Amino acid sequence: DTGVSQDPRHKITKRGQNVTFRCDPISEHNRLYWYRQTLGQGPEFLTYFQNEAQLEKSRLLSDRFSAERPKGSFSTLEIQRTEQGDSAMYLCASSLADGNYGYTFGSGTRLTVV
Amino acid sequence: AQSVTQLDSHVSVSEGTPVLLRCNYSSSYSPSLFWYVQHPNKGLQLLLKYTSAATLVKGINGFEAEFKKSETSFHLTKPSAHMSDAAEYFCVVSVLFGNEKLTFGTGTRLTIIP
Repeated sequence: DTGVSQDPRHKITKRGQNVTFRCDPISEHNRLYWYRQTLGQGPEFLTYFQNEAQLEKSRLLSDRFSAERPKGSFSTLEIQRTEQGDSAMYLCASSLADGNYGYTFGSGTRLTVV
Repeated sequence: AQSVTQLDSHVSVSEGTPVLLRCNYSSSYSPSLFWYVQHPNKGLQLLLKYTSAATLVKGINGFEAEFKKSETSFHLTKPSAHMSDAAEYFCVVSVLFGNEKLTFGTGTRLTIIP
């Protein structure tokens, strides 16, 4: 297992376009998290899944954002009608729900909206 | 509600001298506390974690942190800095039970002077 994989690593898009990112977690991890990190800030929680169920969404996740985790494996994060303020690093992490906080983070997808 | 405050946005030390990165926390419940490191173009890596066991926590690469409830602090230290320690460091808080959502500080950039 090579850890948490995110694709693509970089995405440049024009304002108003839709983008989709993919995260492949560690296979035995049942929890998957999405965070967003803007320049000069720490990551901020967006949403998380336990298996295929999306259990919590941050207020940061406007209705232009949607996340899925079909079959409890990989996850996708889609942003519709992108805005310049969406430019950030989008981080995915996975863990076992065993109380040990065994998070593994991916390297992230850097989104630039022009 | 929970939060962390990293008291220094940038710390510079000479190679071979001690490192001190300061963090204060706020939490309504018994907190779990972490330090993560982020090297350029790499994923977040866990340095150490405190989850209500021993208050002095030892981590990887010679780092350690002490949980002080009376001071609501969780400062990160290392006796002797190495050039490879140059990176961004994040203090992180979470509640002990539940969704294990992480709340990050704004980060401290550590620069090592040769």
